[in-house]
Amino acid sequence: EAQVTQNPRYLITVTGKKLTVTCSQNMNHEYMSWYRQDPGLGLRQIYYSMNVEVTDKGDVPEGYKVSRKEKRNFPLILESPSPNQTSLYFCASRRVFNEQFFGPGTRLTVL
Amino acid sequence: AQSVTQPDIHITVSEGASLELRCNYSYGATPYLFWYVQSPGQGLQLLLKYFSGDTLVQGIKGFEAEFKRSQSSFNLRKPSVHWSDAAEYFCADLITQGGSEKLVFGKGTKLTVNP
Repeated sequence: EAQVTQNPRYLITVTGKKLTVTCSQNMNHEYMSWYRQDPGLGLRQIYYSMNVEVTDKGDVPEGYKVSRKEKRNFPLILESPSPNQTSLYFCASRRVFNEQFFGPGTRLTVL
Repeated sequence: AQSVTQPDIHITVSEGASLELRCNYSYGATPYLFWYVQSPGQGLQLLLKYFSGDTLVQGIKGFEAEFKRSQSSFNLRKPSVHWSDAAEYFCADLITQGGSEKLVFGKGTKLTVNP
């Protein structure tokens, strides 16, 4: 089944404790992105990648890192999480000029 | 700046009534437009897309959307709403920016369906 998977789905952590949210797609898509969704602010893009080893900042990249070592994987790294990074995170992937597929989301709480 | 505007933050309709959700885009001689739906606690699912051709596009779950270039609009419609349509709806425009592409989303319209 064609899909984007994210893990974990739920995470509660404390300020400053490094964490990684994994994202994987099985559709051989070139583009992958991370978004955060907050009430009243809609979806905001954090980082995106056009292909392996090619990443770029989105609209709200501060406090996040990404890497794209393999085409299928695009992990999101929070090296020192803070409470303002409490949010719902979505990974997504797509082909060039095509529809985007979303993962199920990761709900992160930083205490 | 390129933007997608969904003027209605929240809409309430009765079950069985018709629905129209508005979307205006501000960029693109050739817009690539999408509507996504997010049910509570779920990810986003594609309802329909417009790339070119017929300006009335059909999607899943009985939804359709009409592209109107003169109004820069891509409104989503459904003739008869079901309680299961209660969700948040997002319009998006795929734009080219600095040699890459970006999917720009509206802020969403939350739909409540009354029995």
